[in-house]
Amino acid sequence: NAGVTQTPKFQVLKTGQSMTLQCAQDMNHNSMYWYRQDPGMGLRLIYYSASEGTTDKGEVPNGYNVSRLNKREFSLRLESAAPSQTSVYFCASTPPRGHGNTIYFGEGSWLTVV
Amino acid sequence: GENVEQHPSTLSVQEGDSAVIKCTYSDSASNYFPWYKQELGKRPQLIIDIRSNVGEKKDQRIAVTLNKTAKHFSLHITETQPEDSAVYFCAASPWGGGTSYGKLTFGQGTILTVHP
Repeated sequence: NAGVTQTPKFQVLKTGQSMTLQCAQDMNHNSMYWYRQDPGMGLRLIYYSASEGTTDKGEVPNGYNVSRLNKREFSLRLESAAPSQTSVYFCASTPPRGHGNTIYFGEGSWLTVV
Repeated sequence: GENVEQHPSTLSVQEGDSAVIKCTYSDSASNYFPWYKQELGKRPQLIIDIRSNVGEKKDQRIAVTLNKTAKHFSLHITETQPEDSAVYFCAASPWGGGTSYGKLTFGQGTILTVHP
């Protein structure tokens, strides 16, 4: 069991470039999330997917798009990166109700936009 | 939406002392309150959590209290050790009615330093 796996771990982008952060979980979880964490702050929810085929906006969705490719994978896309999107991005997943209440975080992806 | 305020932003204690971190939340629909410890460069790690049907929960040196009427909850760490030094985050989530508890709103964090 690898848990929640994110790629890449580190990325430097130029303003205006696009990129996709990949996330996969091997725990058969229904729900998946993308958070960002700016320096000295708590995590903020960007988008989430309650189940395969559904996605919803979180607190800070502007500038991002997501795809729930299948039950395992949930990707986050920056179409035109801006310096304000420099952050650490965490993917997470949760099991179905009745199967515990632990939120599993990935190790994070450090993104710098110059 | 939910707003979670966390205080203090920094806390410095001597080894063996107690540490208390407080959070307030705004949305009465929130009913799940986890606390996370985050070390530099690492992912958040759940240390304790509480549901709104419980007023207090304890796990060894760590305890959490919840006052749902006043909309605040607190983390208590007793007999602190240098390895407790980290950033601590509180969070709140509306768990139930089909909404996943993973939709967390985090506080701003508290940098805890435990001096030997």
